[in-house]
Amino acid sequence: NAGVTQTPKFQVLKTGQSMTLQCAQDMNHEYMSWYRQDPGMGLRLIHYSVGAGITDQGEVPNGYNVSRSTTEDFPLRLLSAAPSQTSVYFCASTEGAGKTGELFFGEGSRLTVL
Amino acid sequence: EDQVTQSPEALRLQEGESSSLNCSYTVSGLRGLFWYRQDPGKGPEFLFTLYSAGEEKEKERLKATLTKKESFLHITAPKPEDSATYLCAVRNDYKLSFGAGTTVTVRA
Repeated sequence: NAGVTQTPKFQVLKTGQSMTLQCAQDMNHEYMSWYRQDPGMGLRLIHYSVGAGITDQGEVPNGYNVSRSTTEDFPLRLLSAAPSQTSVYFCASTEGAGKTGELFFGEGSRLTVL
Repeated sequence: EDQVTQSPEALRLQEGESSSLNCSYTVSGLRGLFWYRQDPGKGPEFLFTLYSAGEEKEKERLKATLTKKESFLHITAPKPEDSATYLCAVRNDYKLSFGAGTTVTVRA
């Protein structure tokens, strides 16, 4: 099993550009989520999904969209990138909503917005 | 709003020098407190789940404990390979709220 795979690992954008961070898991996990990690602020939840076709907002959803058309994939879309979105983004998954605390994380995607 | 505060921000230890990390929390309805380890450039790795006050969990040189308002991660006789950032988090429904972490450096 590859676990949770995130692409790309590094990306540089200009302000106003859009892009999609990809996340795929091969563990048949129902629950998937996206976090951003900034120095001194810890991990903050952006969006999460308890199953295919179901998504919900986390703590910092503005400027981001998600969809969950399959169990395996949970892409994160930046609609119009801003410098405040410079961060490290982590995708995480777990068996189901009842195991929300025991997450498997990807290696992260480091995004810089100029 | 759930809040998780970890202290200290950084901890430098000599190999074999035991110490403790603190995680204090406020949450409307605790559905678990979780500890993670994060190595530089990597995603966090799950360590422990604690559900009720008085509960303890151990793994190698790490032991996590829980009270009604805080959790401690005790590192006994640490080795350089224990150097990492340790994160705690609390669960509320389907969401986890993380603290900012404690970065532990263990010198040989």
